[in-house]
Amino acid sequence: AQSVTQLDSQVPVFEEAPVELRCNYSSSVSVYLFWYVQYPNQGLQLLLKYLSGSTLVKGINGFEAEFNKSQTSFHLRKPSVHISDTAEYFCAVSRMDSSYKLIFGSGTRLLVRP
Amino acid sequence: DGGITQSPKYLFRKEGQNVTLSCEQNLNHDAMYWYRQDPGQGLRLIYYSQIVNDFQKGDIAEGYSVSREKKESFPLTVTSAQKNPTAFYLCASSIVTGTANYGYTFGSGTRLTVV
Repeated sequence: AQSVTQLDSQVPVFEEAPVELRCNYSSSVSVYLFWYVQYPNQGLQLLLKYLSGSTLVKGINGFEAEFNKSQTSFHLRKPSVHISDTAEYFCAVSRMDSSYKLIFGSGTRLLVRP
Repeated sequence: DGGITQSPKYLFRKEGQNVTLSCEQNLNHDAMYWYRQDPGQGLRLIYYSQIVNDFQKGDIAEGYSVSREKKESFPLTVTSAQKNPTAFYLCASSIVTGTANYGYTFGSGTRLTVV
């Protein structure tokens, strides 16, 4: 079975500082990886995804993530955050052999302070 | 514009009542999903459907029921058997392929409260 661990439930950071949100996964087979963002009382929006190829993936709003197979990690980074980045961020994984089903982590709340 | 519409945005249920949450998509996606979100617990899969007239239980299906009579629609009924239904419910859809997952498209959610 697959599982996703987001190590930090909340990450406070000052505006214009860099941020990294950590995600580790466990799977016996190859996987696809995703990051989603959720603003209050809204659905989830896809930030970026890793399907294959380059391990550095760029997404929307200046975010990027790096797939590290040996460490089974897919950490999300942004070099300079804005107040508007305050939201909940979810890491998710799906098996390559049954790709329709996503398993989500418990989420990390990013709190950007002025 | 294509997307997923969930209604209502807020719903209140009395003890012992069944309520139905609506989910409609015009993306021509084959698969649809229902997730429940509770604070600090992420998203948990309730039911999913890959094709019309077929659906499977997810991790927390007890107390819920679904139907998939049309490709565009996947309503969720929260029955009186669900003992703790207060939560945020999210519907999603995706393309079904044999080799790749392009991710889900989510609706804006329904917040259900038991009164």
